[in-house]
Amino acid sequence: EVQLVESGGGLVKPGGSLRLSCAASGFTFSNAWMSWVRQAPGKGLEWVGRIKSKTDGGTTDYAAPVKGRFTISRDDSKNTLYLQMNSLKTEDTAVYYCTTGFVVAATDWYFDLWGRGTLVTVSS
Amino acid sequence: DIQMTQSPSSLSASVGDRVTITCQASQDISNYLNWYQQKPGKAPKLLIYDASNLETGVPSRFSGSGSGTDFTFTISSLQPEDIATYYCQQYDNLPRTFGQGTKVEIK
Repeated sequence: EVQLVESGGGLVKPGGSLRLSCAASGFTFSNAWMSWVRQAPGKGLEWVGRIKSKTDGGTTDYAAPVKGRFTISRDDSKNTLYLQMNSLKTEDTAVYYCTTGFVVAATDWYFDLWGRGTLVTVSS
Repeated sequence: DIQMTQSPSSLSASVGDRVTITCQASQDISNYLNWYQQKPGKAPKLLIYDASNLETGVPSRFSGSGSGTDFTFTISSLQPEDIATYYCQQYDNLPRTFGQGTKVEIK
């Protein structure tokens, strides 16, 4: 089955760290450009960042609010995407989705495959 | 960053009504625009890509049009299962940006 499954969310204090994982199955993960999108409670969708496939350089790009605090990485041997979140702020509270382009792989033009999301709550 | 401005932010319509949502980009994005549907508690779902192409399996009552800076998303005959929030998203530039969303309700 083609799917993405996020894990690792939870409650963390401001200034703390958390690592999210996204397990992929049913497609060639190593070819995929993977992205994280988040959604604060009751708010809209916000792109967090992406990582290209290693074939395409494996480089990362981030949204300004998380640059320098969040790191996206991937382990193609485990078909898993990661989001390391450091120096967390209350405004980072959100459901975090991993997503990718499935029909058109090796791009992030279309997000047509999404996980169910994992909730991160940053609160003292 | 490219700002995506959707309108209206919410609307209420009757079953069978034609519903139109607009999305304006702060600069020319050609046709690099997608539309997503998100139901409460669920992940977004891609409906329209490249401004006007219907994703496989999506009902034909959904359509999109536009290019440059002005885009339109239409539901030709609103159905109860279309109750959701709809987002436009550009992929012309980084960061990828979404509109603020349009919540569609049944009158």
